[in-house]
Amino acid sequence: GDSVTQMEGPVTLSEEAFLTINCTYTATGYPSLFWYVQYPGEGLQLLLKATKADDKGSNKGFEATYRKETTSFHLEKGSVQVSDSAVYFCALSPNQAGTALIFGKGTTLSVSS
Amino acid sequence: NAGVTQTPKFQVLKTGQSMTLQCAQDMNHEYMSWYRQDPGMGLRLIHYSVGAGITDQGEVPNGYNVSRSTTEDFPLRLLSAAPSQTSVYFCASSTRAPNEQFFGPGTRLTVL
Repeated sequence: GDSVTQMEGPVTLSEEAFLTINCTYTATGYPSLFWYVQYPGEGLQLLLKATKADDKGSNKGFEATYRKETTSFHLEKGSVQVSDSAVYFCALSPNQAGTALIFGKGTTLSVSS
Repeated sequence: NAGVTQTPKFQVLKTGQSMTLQCAQDMNHEYMSWYRQDPGMGLRLIHYSVGAGITDQGEVPNGYNVSRSTTEDFPLRLLSAAPSQTSVYFCASSTRAPNEQFFGPGTRLTVL
């Protein structure tokens, strides 16, 4: 079945460091891909998305490119801030099914000043 | 718009008790889902609904029931609570197309 694998954390960085969180997926067809962020004590919020191969999603300085050839959707940010400390989830939505998302296990990011 | 709302925010139950977690959305979304979040497990789908009167099971449906009598509401019922159901529960909704899901703030449930 469809699945999402993301790098295990926690990831600990200093402010202004470069961030990469790896995400790969297994799916039939052409899924849509998402990154969600969860701040402490809150629900999940959509960070960015891509719906077809080679699409680049971007928001708040974060970017991810839908790579069909490597089945990847890695999250990057050039300069992290303390306020980026959160849990990040990669997810996919199978096109042929309903809209129930399949999530990775989440990666905790901690940024120190 | 209130978006997706969930009640209660916190709940403590004893083993064997039953309860209903409430979820409502005011965005006229057809799709609604329930997930549970456990440390190291990510989010796992419990049940979902593609419209009023239609529900289906997700990855971990045992011990839970759902119904969808209106577009707005999608309650989750715990029939006989067990300690293994201690978790944070999230409700989400989305439009028809495979698209982003909007999440509620969650319900933290502890079963003693």
